[in-house]
Amino acid sequence: EIVLTQSPGTLSLSPGDRATLSCRASQTVRSNYLAWYQQKPGRSPRLLIFDASSRATGIPDRFSGSGSGTDFTLTISRLEREDFAVYYCQQYGSSYTFGQGTNLEI
Amino acid sequence: EVQLVESGGELVQPGGSLRLSCAASGFSLNDNGMSWVRQAPGKGLEWVSVISAGGISTYYADSVKGRFIISRDTSKKMVYLQMTSLRAEDTAIYYCARTNGYYFHWYFDLWGRGTLVTVSS
Repeated sequence: EIVLTQSPGTLSLSPGDRATLSCRASQTVRSNYLAWYQQKPGRSPRLLIFDASSRATGIPDRFSGSGSGTDFTLTISRLEREDFAVYYCQQYGSSYTFGQGTNLEI
Repeated sequence: EVQLVESGGELVQPGGSLRLSCAASGFSLNDNGMSWVRQAPGKGLEWVSVISAGGISTYYADSVKGRFIISRDTSKKMVYLQMTSLRAEDTAIYYCARTNGYYFHWYFDLWGRGTLVTVSS
């Protein structure tokens, strides 16, 4: 099973800052099949990025994904108040596993 | 409107059974596979099961294999998760999610609001 480790566990930033979230896989993720989700308290997850760097429909361009192999990054260029949430990475190259999440707090 | 609505979650005793339902609208189950993902209280996400768009292929997490069965009824636009031999560690919000991507290499592009399953005596 591919284990995904997200860092940091908690990231404290301010609106207007740049956020960089990391997701490291225990082995190479086939074809960079990696997605990112946002989850706000009491809400269901929302797809942000798929295939490591493709933005999902309706996702603002301040969200971007990058990386390959075992190291992936979600970048939020200029944080807005609505962006403070928990973020999960997920690999779908070999079965399906999620990272433990990064809590992005104000 | 494109949406998923789950139902069926409730309090059940250990060893008991439960069937969750997911109503899909705004798209065809013939075009998309469907999955169940769960989230224990205060914890992260755990994939549970997936069924292919054709309904022929199914796949399960090791933690539920042999106890849970995923199925669908395309005419009713419903997806189901039959859960048996329930354990305390199955307590979670269960989300229905639409899959997208490549055969058995799927991400989840649409999620329901979830239904809470509590396993306790």
